Amino acid sequence: EAGVAQSPRYKIIEKRQSVAFWCNPISGHATLYWYQQILGQGPKLLIQFQNNGVVDDSQLPKDRFSAERLKGVDSTLKIQPAKLEDSAVYLCASSPLNRVRNEKLFFGSGTQLSVL
Amino acid sequence: QKEVEQNSGPLSVPEGAIASLNCTYSDRGSQSFFWYRQYSGKSPELIMFIYSNGDKEDGRFTAQLNKASQYVSLLIRDSQPSDSATYLCAVNRSYIPTFGRGTSLIVHP
Repeated sequence: EAGVAQSPRYKIIEKRQSVAFWCNPISGHATLYWYQQILGQGPKLLIQFQNNGVVDDSQLPKDRFSAERLKGVDSTLKIQPAKLEDSAVYLCASSPLNRVRNEKLFFGSGTQLSVL
Repeated sequence: QKEVEQNSGPLSVPEGAIASLNCTYSDRGSQSFFWYRQYSGKSPELIMFIYSNGDKEDGRFTAQLNKASQYVSLLIRDSQPSDSATYLCAVNRSYIPTFGRGTSLIVHP
């Protein structure tokens, strides 16, 4: 079974530039998550999709971050314009179903973003 | 008050000892609880989940849940140097997973 695919693996940009990350979940997984993990901290949920609908985006800084999941499969996360504090690892995860209490998250390898 | 709290550590134990990792959560409506392991530079991977009060054992790992005290723990028996990693506690609230900051575990030979 192929895992969650993410690209790029690393990205270095200057502040005020824009950047986009891509995620392809495990085939058949209905739920897709984007997490931000700052060094030394736990993952922070940015947005959760079920199929192509948004379940939760309460912690997504909507003035600069946007995300979409077209056709309920792959997803892109965009930052425009980037700030220094956006330097982090952006993790994509997927799971088969939502609303299952013992649901396991499968994580991709992440994208390490450095904003200079 | 943070939703999911963990001591950042590091927790250092000798090889062969029992490592005890703790987590508290603030939302009494939380339904399920997870432990993920994250090696340096890698992504988290699930090692245990629990949703009923009591203990759940899987090999060298035991998860313990006390909903009255809003407390969940992970015990690792016969700790090995390969267990050295950050252990993340995650809590499902309204089917949305929330992570703690993680506890760094170091197992020294």
